[in-house]
Amino acid sequence: QSVLTQPPSASGTPGQRVTISCSGSNSNIGRNPVSWYQQFPGTAPQLLIYTNDQRPSGVPGRFSGSKSGTSASLAISGLQSEDEADYYCATWDDNLALFGGGTKLTVL
Amino acid sequence: QVQLQQSGPGLVKPSQTLSLTCAIFGDSVSRKSAAWNWFRQSPSRGLDWLGRTYYRSQWYDDYAASVRGRIIINADTSKNQFSLQLNSVTPEDTAVYYCAREDELGPRDAFDIWGQGTEVTVSS
Repeated sequence: QSVLTQPPSASGTPGQRVTISCSGSNSNIGRNPVSWYQQFPGTAPQLLIYTNDQRPSGVPGRFSGSKSGTSASLAISGLQSEDEADYYCATWDDNLALFGGGTKLTVL
Repeated sequence: QVQLQQSGPGLVKPSQTLSLTCAIFGDSVSRKSAAWNWFRQSPSRGLDWLGRTYYRSQWYDDYAASVRGRIIINADTSKNQFSLQLNSVTPEDTAVYYCAREDELGPRDAFDIWGQGTEVTVSS
C-alpha cells in the first residue's frame, strides 16, 4: 500500500477537465515538492509536472499541477483521447522518494 | 540529448543476486548536480523507488527501507554507468526495473530521463 493516496481510476469525455488527487502527510507532501508522471502501457513513466506546478518543456499547457498542505492535484483540461494513461504522483520524505499507487485515466 | 540504456538478465534464480546496469549517454555519472536512481514496477506493488547514488565531492547513496540491507547502487565512472545489485531475491522481486536521472539544474526533485525498462523474473 502506497504512502501517497491516489484514486485508482478517473474518467472523462473529450474536452472535459479532469483532476487527479494525491494525498500525503506533513512529512512528505507537506514539506517537499510534488512531481507527476504519465505512463502508457509497456513504456517508462514520463515527467509531466515538477516542483508542484512546473511543466517541463514539451508538456502541453493543458496539464497543470497544484499543491496545498498535504495534498496535490493534477488537472487536465481539454481532455484528449491520447491522455488515456496511468498517472503517478511522487514526492520525498527524509531523502527517500515516494510514489502514489497510480490513477488509471479513461477517456470515454 | 541524454539517454539511459539498461542492460541485464531477465531471469534470476531465487536466493541469487539481481544485477542491472544503466549506461549514460549525453551526461556524466559524476556530475555534481545529478543523481542516478533505480525503480521497479509490478502489478502488485505499483511503482517503487529503490534508491540512488550521487556525487557531491564524494559518493553518497540513499535506499528505500523496503530493500535496505539487500541493495547496492554503484557508479562506474570509467564506463559512465551505474548499476543495481539486489541480493537474496525472491519471486516477490519480479518486476520491471527502471533507471532514471534527477537533475538539480533541470526539473528539480523529479526524474526527468528514464531508461527503457528491464523485465526481471525471479524463478527457478
